[in-house]
Amino acid sequence: KQEVTQIPAALSVPEGENLVLNCSFTDSAIYNLQWFRQDPGKGLTSLLLIQSSQREQTSGRLNASLDKSSGRSTLYIAASQPGDSATYLCAAFQGGSEKLVFGKGTKLTVNP
Amino acid sequence: NAGVMQNPRHLVRRRGQEARLRCSPMKGHSHVYWYRQLPEEGLKFMVYLQKENIIDESGMPKERFSAEFPKEGPSILRIQQVVRGDSAAYFCASSPRQGGAEAFFGQGTRLTVV
Repeated sequence: KQEVTQIPAALSVPEGENLVLNCSFTDSAIYNLQWFRQDPGKGLTSLLLIQSSQREQTSGRLNASLDKSSGRSTLYIAASQPGDSATYLCAAFQGGSEKLVFGKGTKLTVNP
Repeated sequence: NAGVMQNPRHLVRRRGQEARLRCSPMKGHSHVYWYRQLPEEGLKFMVYLQKENIIDESGMPKERFSAEFPKEGPSILRIQQVVRGDSAAYFCASSPRQGGAEAFFGQGTRLTVV
């Protein structure tokens, strides 16, 4: 059974800092891994999708990496801004099924 | 191209009533997924549907919950005889194909049972 863990559960940083969010998964048989952002009381916004054959994806100040052999993914945010404050969710698309398995998220606060 | 549309955004029901949650997928998407987010918990898969077919309902509670995705119209998640423990945010996602295509989520329906 796939389990996805995100560390830390919460993170507070000053504006401008570079930061890394961590995600680990127990079953390496995944199709892809997707990072989302969730603002309070809102839906999920897809940030980056990494296919199982890829090692990383980049979008603007965001870079996500995937290491299937170690069961890890990281989301790197460069030059953080207060507008980046949100909960970041990692989800593994489970091989052999059509479902995303989510971690509980990392709540990020970027202080001005 | 509008995103995934869910309505209502907020729904209040008394215990024992029925709740009907609607989801219109993105244009061109024929695969719909429902997830539930309980307070202080992560999102959990409930059901996966294609047009007129339930493909995987392994995450659905055995009683009171049902889902459909008719040939015409939105997907519906129906909860009969709601209880306080059903209070949660229910999210719908859609994708254009199977096999790990990017999933796009709606804004969710926040159900409160009083």
